[in-house]
Amino acid sequence: QKEVEQNSGPLSVPEGAIASLNCTYSDRGSQSFFWYRQYSGKSPELIMFIYSNGDKEDGRFTAQLNKASQYVSLLIRDSQPSDSATYLCAVGSNDYKLSFGAGTTVTVRA
Amino acid sequence: KAGVTQTPRYLIKTRGQQVTLSCSPISGHRSVSWYQQTPGQGLQFLFEYFSETQRNKGNFPGRFSGRQFSNSRSEMNVSTLELGDSALYLCASREQGDSSTIYFGEGSWLTVV
Repeated sequence: QKEVEQNSGPLSVPEGAIASLNCTYSDRGSQSFFWYRQYSGKSPELIMFIYSNGDKEDGRFTAQLNKASQYVSLLIRDSQPSDSATYLCAVGSNDYKLSFGAGTTVTVRA
Repeated sequence: KAGVTQTPRYLIKTRGQQVTLSCSPISGHRSVSWYQQTPGQGLQFLFEYFSETQRNKGNFPGRFSGRQFSNSRSEMNVSTLELGDSALYLCASREQGDSSTIYFGEGSWLTVV
């Protein structure tokens, strides 16, 4: 079983819609959770981080964490063509590394 | 504040050669980690350094090594290159601690021919 699993893509959404990305992780001791966005040919860019159960909002992005279910999600509201990218879920424990999911590719249709 | 700086950005090497990649972390950040990204395996952790000490190492062969200097700058080395080592090598830095956010550099694209 992979440490971090993301819903398989690609995910295509119309402009203005909500894109929903899901991620599950296997290590119950995980303490920190991140979403990175990666454009083709570029390095990952941090979008959100969340440490506590519940929701965290930043602009059009909302991260949700449920440690009991070992589940973290990212919602992108009012999706824009510039949101078209691969979104990586990353999970950190107390071992100085992040474990990444395979990524979900999102395409926003104009 | 300048971001994480990696050099070189692009390089082509021949099988059997070795390569050294360099990383300068964000000013004030003492932790540097390295990741390999390939289409097939995704982003995989190589190693992490803090105050010149390796604190964790990923599941890579001994051909992959790294070090950190007193100014927090880091290098990684891959010896006896194989075709499968072709990848994007990403350096990331963070201030300290286990949970603090890591920030990636632009990466070094290595092609082994």
